[in-house]
Amino acid sequence: NAGVTQTPKFQVLKTGQSMTLQCAQDMNHNSMYWYRQDPGMGLRLIYYSASEGTTDKGEVPNGYNVSRLNKREFSLRLESAAPSQTSVYFCASSEARRGSPLHFGNGTRLTVT
Amino acid sequence: KNEVEQSPQNLTAQEGEFITINCSYSVGISALHWLQQHPGGGIVSLFMLSSGKKKHGRLIATINIQEKHSSLHITASHPRDSAVYICAAFIIQGAQKLVFGQGTRLTINP
Repeated sequence: NAGVTQTPKFQVLKTGQSMTLQCAQDMNHNSMYWYRQDPGMGLRLIYYSASEGTTDKGEVPNGYNVSRLNKREFSLRLESAAPSQTSVYFCASSEARRGSPLHFGNGTRLTVT
Repeated sequence: KNEVEQSPQNLTAQEGEFITINCSYSVGISALHWLQQHPGGGIVSLFMLSSGKKKHGRLIATINIQEKHSSLHITASHPRDSAVYICAAFIIQGAQKLVFGQGTRLTINP
């Protein structure tokens, strides 16, 4: 089993460009998440999806959109990238939102110039 | 003030030492996670616990619900244990959410 697969690993964008981060899990998990990790700060939730067909905003949703394409896939889109979105992005999944271990992808290091 | 606080922020020790990393939280929670982030960046779930104690190899996690405190212990530490250790608590008061601590960077020297 691959677990949580996240692509790409690295990306450099110019301000105003758009891109989509892809995430897929093969564990039949209901819940999926997108986090960003910035120096000196804990992981912060951007968006989550408690089940197929539903998405909800997290702590820092501005500038992002998500799609829960099916149970396996949860993508994160930056429509117009800004330097403040330079960060490391992690996708994660769990059986349920509460009381289940988290499984993380390997992260995407995004730089916006 | 973050609802989840870890200490210390950085910890350097010699191989073989007993390591303790602390996590305190200020509100009611339903579960607490301990995660390990390797120097390469990947994050691995070590434990999820809501009461008592869990052990896996040389790692032990404890939680005291009354004192709102959890600890991660590493016995017979080894350089390969060098990583950032992160606690995260699922807050059940107000907007339910998983709140992460800032992490503890552990370096074990040979």
